[in-house]
Amino acid sequence: EVQVLESGGDLVQPGGSLRLSCAASGFTFSNYDMGWVRQAPGKGLVYVSVISGSALTTFYADSVKGRFTISRDNSRNTVHLEMNSLRAEDTGVYYCARRIPSNHFDSWGQGTLVTVSS
Amino acid sequence: EIVMTQSPATLSVSPGERATLSCRASQSVSNNLAWYQQKPGQAPRLLIFGAYTGATGIPARFSGSGSGTEFTLTISSLQSEDFAVYYCQQYNDWPLTFGGGTKLEIK
Repeated sequence: EVQVLESGGDLVQPGGSLRLSCAASGFTFSNYDMGWVRQAPGKGLVYVSVISGSALTTFYADSVKGRFTISRDNSRNTVHLEMNSLRAEDTGVYYCARRIPSNHFDSWGQGTLVTVSS
Repeated sequence: EIVMTQSPATLSVSPGERATLSCRASQSVSNNLAWYQQKPGQAPRLLIFGAYTGATGIPARFSGSGSGTEFTLTISSLQSEDFAVYYCQQYNDWPLTFGGGTKLEIK
């Protein structure tokens, strides 16, 4: 069974940093892209970042480019999202999801809440 | 950036009836479109990919159609568990973009 589990969400002050982690199991991890999608309270889904299975290619939404860094460790089946210079508008639930290469997200974690507030 | 527009924002339908949800892309996405269902407090769940292919375990009452810029998600006979928010998403080009969602509520 495919499982994806996020962790690391917390309350952080504006300008601060946070590192999210995502542990995956039940599939050959390096064969799949992994991504992060966030959802502000009461709002819709917004793509944040994707990393290819080989970790050679990364993509970012313009709103986080230069502030967030996605990485993965294929030996540990984990993905990380390093978030710096956090803003109030970064607040929301961050979902980690498995992505079929060049295709859709097919398995999602339950999310981890990030709150950026003073 | 490809803008995805869903309509209506809210749809009120009675159980047992058919629901038709629309998604429009600002430029062609071919058939590189997925639909997701999200219930309160839960993660999104993949329903349809490739515009019309049902994901594993999705009931046959869910169907997708369309290509290019116009897409439709149809739920043939609404069950109580189908009342949720539905999102479309294009993966034809970067950045990946989602529609704003359609809330399907009980009439």
